[in-house]
Amino acid sequence: EAGVTQFPSHSVIEKGQTVTLRCDPISGHDNLYWYRRVMGKEIKFLLHFVKESKQDESGMPNNRFLAERTGGTYSTLKVQPAELEDSGVYFCASSQLLAGGSYEQYFGPGTRLTVT
Amino acid sequence: AQSVTQLGSHVSVSEGALVLLRCNYSSSVPPYLFWYVQYPNQGLQLLLKYTTGATLVKGINGFEAEFKKSETSFHLTKPSAHMSDAAEYFCAVTQGSSASKIIFGSGTRLSIRP
Repeated sequence: EAGVTQFPSHSVIEKGQTVTLRCDPISGHDNLYWYRRVMGKEIKFLLHFVKESKQDESGMPNNRFLAERTGGTYSTLKVQPAELEDSGVYFCASSQLLAGGSYEQYFGPGTRLTVT
Repeated sequence: AQSVTQLGSHVSVSEGALVLLRCNYSSSVPPYLFWYVQYPNQGLQLLLKYTTGATLVKGINGFEAEFKKSETSFHLTKPSAHMSDAAEYFCAVTQGSSASKIIFGSGTRLSIRP
């Protein structure tokens, strides 16, 4: 079974440009999450989808960030316009309810975004 | 609110020595606790997790962690370090049996000396 995949693995853009990151969750996982790690800091939650609906977007830093999950499958995270402080690694994760009643989030390899 | 504190951003041990990575948490509800590992140029991989039941949990690659409620700790240990253990380790917490977000610690980079 394929894991969580993210595209691209690396992206280098100039300040003011737009970048779109994509995440494909594990097939059948209704929950999809975005996290990011800015240089030297902890990994922070951005938002959580349940199917196509945003369950929690309390971590989105500002309105330059737009996340979508069309049809409840893959998700995109668009940054427009990008700023220097947006540089970091963006992780996607997905989860489903396990037999024991808990959830386990499976993470993708991340997209390293560099804004110059 | 939940939070996680990892003591030591960088830990260095000799090959064959004990590995001890410290983690303390704060949670107003029964926590689910995790340790994730990130090897160079790879994504986050779950090492082990505590949900309910036995407080000593065993994970992959010989790692284990013990949930101590009285100390609000979930320290990660491995009796004998191997060169391949060099990576960054993250302690994390989430709310019980909820699908809610994970709160991560700041990470501890583990180096292994030959």
